[in-house]
Amino acid sequence: AQSVTQLGSHVSVSEGALVLLRCNYSSSVPPYLFWYVQYPNQGLQLLLKYTSAATLVKGINGFEAEFKKSETSFHLTKPSAHMSDAAEYFCAVSGAGAGSYQLTFGKGTKLSVIP
Amino acid sequence: SQTIHQWPATLVQPVGSPLSLECTVEGTSNPNLYWYRQAAGRGLQLLFYSVGIGQISSEVPQNLSASRPQDRQFILSSKKLLLSDSGFYLCAWTGPDSYEQYFGPGTRLTVT
Repeated sequence: AQSVTQLGSHVSVSEGALVLLRCNYSSSVPPYLFWYVQYPNQGLQLLLKYTSAATLVKGINGFEAEFKKSETSFHLTKPSAHMSDAAEYFCAVSGAGAGSYQLTFGKGTKLSVIP
Repeated sequence: SQTIHQWPATLVQPVGSPLSLECTVEGTSNPNLYWYRQAAGRGLQLLFYSVGIGQISSEVPQNLSASRPQDRQFILSSKKLLLSDSGFYLCAWTGPDSYEQYFGPGTRLTVT
């Protein structure tokens, strides 16, 4: 069975500081991994995805994530936080429910950016 | 390009009333479709998914139901709403052989 653990339900960073949001996964099959961002009262927007090609994945808005199989991790980073990055971020892993292409989501990490 | 629509955007309904939320996808064929619920402080809960017309799989037993009357239309319904049905309802789609889910703008449901 697949599972996702996001460490820290709330993370605060200062504007201009490094953003690091942690995600660890469990999967019985080679995973596809995703990060989504959600702004208040909006749907989820795909930030980036890992699909077994390059282990360092670049996404939108300056975010990137590195797939580390040995650590079963897929942490999201951004070198310099901007006020507009304040949102909730969800990590997701593929593989649940054969034939349905379901994703298993983490519980989310709310990012606050302090001016 | 593909777009996904949900309506209504917000809804306030009394306990015991019926519910119908609609989701439509444009610009693609034979999508997989999903209904999720987000309750306050809780992550995404998958409610239903569909891989084709008339094919619905339920993930969580409850007083909600889903239907897919057309290829790109997915409807979430209830005959009698409960207070616990309040939340943010999200529809999502993927291509037929893809895990990459794209989400609609959501419907905020408040049951009073």
